[in-house]
Amino acid sequence: AQRVTQPEKLLSVFKGAPVELKCNYSYSGSPELFWYVQYSRQRLQLLLRHISRESIKGFTADLNKGETSFHLKKPFAQEEDSAMYYCALSGRGGGADGLTFGKGTHLIIQP
Amino acid sequence: GAVVSQHPSWVICKSGTSVKIECRSLDFQATTMFWYRQFPKQSLMLMATSNEGSKATYEQGVEKDKFLINHASLTLSTLTVTSAHPEDSSFYICSARAGGAGNQPQHFGDGTRLSIL
Repeated sequence: AQRVTQPEKLLSVFKGAPVELKCNYSYSGSPELFWYVQYSRQRLQLLLRHISRESIKGFTADLNKGETSFHLKKPFAQEEDSAMYYCALSGRGGGADGLTFGKGTHLIIQP
Repeated sequence: GAVVSQHPSWVICKSGTSVKIECRSLDFQATTMFWYRQFPKQSLMLMATSNEGSKATYEQGVEKDKFLINHASLTLSTLTVTSAHPEDSSFYICSARAGGAGNQPQHFGDGTRLSIL
């Protein structure tokens, strides 16, 4: 069975500080990993996916197969980063399968 | 681009009635749509995968006769909660994925909050 674990329900950091949102997964094959973000009163949006290997809004995430992790990082947090972040896994490429989500981490950036 | 519209956003109804939720891809053709359910303070849980022109695939533990899914066109999928009861009260979210070459991500609707009295 596939599983996504986000150990932190809430993460609060000061503006300008580094941010790391943790995500670990369990899957027997080669999964595709995603980070989705939900800003207040908005819909879930794709932030980034591991196959793209790109940086969006200053965020990056590297898939570590040895540690089965896909932590989301940003070197300098901004107030507009405050949101709910969900890590998700797809068993087939491109999210052709439905996604398995973690429980989410509520990120609060304090001024 | 890649906008998914979900309607209604909020519905309250009496126990025993059926409720239909629509999910539309507004600016792309969605060969696959997904239905998720989210209980308070819980994560999104996949209920079913809907492919245009074919029967939906339901996740284990999801009653297909309870949650009827129809994906009659490339831009519309509907979820009907039949004979709804208070335990069906939840937040239902759809997502849509475009077809074609390459790995297309899922795009999400705003969700529908269903309250059964």
